[in-house]
Amino acid sequence: GQQLNQSPQSMFIQEGEDVSMNCTSSSIFNTWLWYKQDPGEGPVLLIALYKAGELTSNGRLTAQFGITRKDSFLNISASIPSDVGIYFCAGQTSNTGKLIFGQGTTLQVKP
Amino acid sequence: DTEVTQTPKHLVMGMTNKKSLKCEQHMGHRAMYWYKQKAKKPPELMFVYSYEKLSINESVPSRFSPECPNSSLLNLHLHALQPEDSALYLCASSPYTRQPQHFGDGTRLSIL
Repeated sequence: GQQLNQSPQSMFIQEGEDVSMNCTSSSIFNTWLWYKQDPGEGPVLLIALYKAGELTSNGRLTAQFGITRKDSFLNISASIPSDVGIYFCAGQTSNTGKLIFGQGTTLQVKP
Repeated sequence: DTEVTQTPKHLVMGMTNKKSLKCEQHMGHRAMYWYKQKAKKPPELMFVYSYEKLSINESVPSRFSPECPNSSLLNLHLHALQPEDSALYLCASSPYTRQPQHFGDGTRLSIL
């Protein structure tokens, strides 16, 4: 079946540093989504990408839909302690509603 | 605050019990989903409802029984669960199946 490779698996950074994570797939996706999950809560949608090459920002977050439609990255600039959490990428290939999730990137920020 | 509301937040049940999880959204979304999530793992899709009809069942054991009584409400009926079914159960909704999904905060289920 389809799989997403998300990297890195975890990151431990200093407050104020920039962060980058990415997802790659052997399959083409029509939509890329980035979610953040805090402990004890559900995933929260951060950014949705719909077109190859699309670059979208949401505050300090920027994400891009790869030209090949097989990859996406998420950048966080000037990290702060509340950025701590698990970040998931997810891709969708069809209109069925089925999402393929990456394994997640755990981010820890040292004040 | 999430606009997808799940109750209860926590549930402990024995293997012979019958219980139900409830999910509600009032955003007018026509697609609703159940996911199972183990610790530090991504959510795994269980069921998809589109226009109140079951459209995807990801080969989920019959001890999990979904129900969509109306466009705002989604239930997951549980019966004779196993200890390995202990997990966070997430509900999500989207305007239509092709659009981004919004998650509730989940029900933490523990099977004794």
